[in-house]
Amino acid sequence: EDQVTQSPEALRLQEGESSSLNCSYTVSGLRGLFWYRQDPGKGPEFLFTLYSAGEEKEKERLKATLTKKESFLHITAPKPEDSATYLCAVHLSGGSYIPTFGRGTSLIVHP
Amino acid sequence: SAVISQKPSRDICQRGTSLTIQCQVDSQVTMMFWYRQQPGQSLTLIATANQGSEATYESGFVIDKFPISRPNLTFSTLTVSNMSPEDSSIYLCSVEGSGGNIQYFGAGTRLSVL
Repeated sequence: EDQVTQSPEALRLQEGESSSLNCSYTVSGLRGLFWYRQDPGKGPEFLFTLYSAGEEKEKERLKATLTKKESFLHITAPKPEDSATYLCAVHLSGGSYIPTFGRGTSLIVHP
Repeated sequence: SAVISQKPSRDICQRGTSLTIQCQVDSQVTMMFWYRQQPGQSLTLIATANQGSEATYESGFVIDKFPISRPNLTFSTLTVSNMSPEDSSIYLCSVEGSGGNIQYFGAGTRLSVL
């Protein structure tokens, strides 16, 4: 059973159509939750780290939020260049220092 | 941040052969990580490589199949041995940022085994 579940698996938006990606986790003792962006043919690129429920981070059209059970990546008025796969990862306290990744959400933004 | 160069970027190999993937970092790092990314699957950690010691492998991965070298603080190699079509995947090298937790990745090696 996956500890980190991302939904939807794929999302198609029109340019300017805001939406949210979800990352839910079933683990306890969260040390940090990470969002990465991955473009085709490239490795994941770090976007945000969230550490505690209620925390929010913003970067351009992206805003990440965190609750005790899930995180959302809100995309406001997306542009075609926002098209990518977005990966979520959790880092557990007291355990391995290696984060556990979700399967990602593939986002396509049409002009 | 760290800049990671990984090569080859892609390769097509025959069943039963081996491929060595190289990873070069622009700064000295203690730990380097090797991941596998299969279509529709999450990134899966293969092993952690520390300079001067044996690599630590995750469950399901063994040294005979995925030997790793770590000769210095900026370089590592992963070999995929005796390949089968099931080894077709993207292999990624990564390092941890100076603040800890954040990982920086190479562009990956896309491997196809026929």
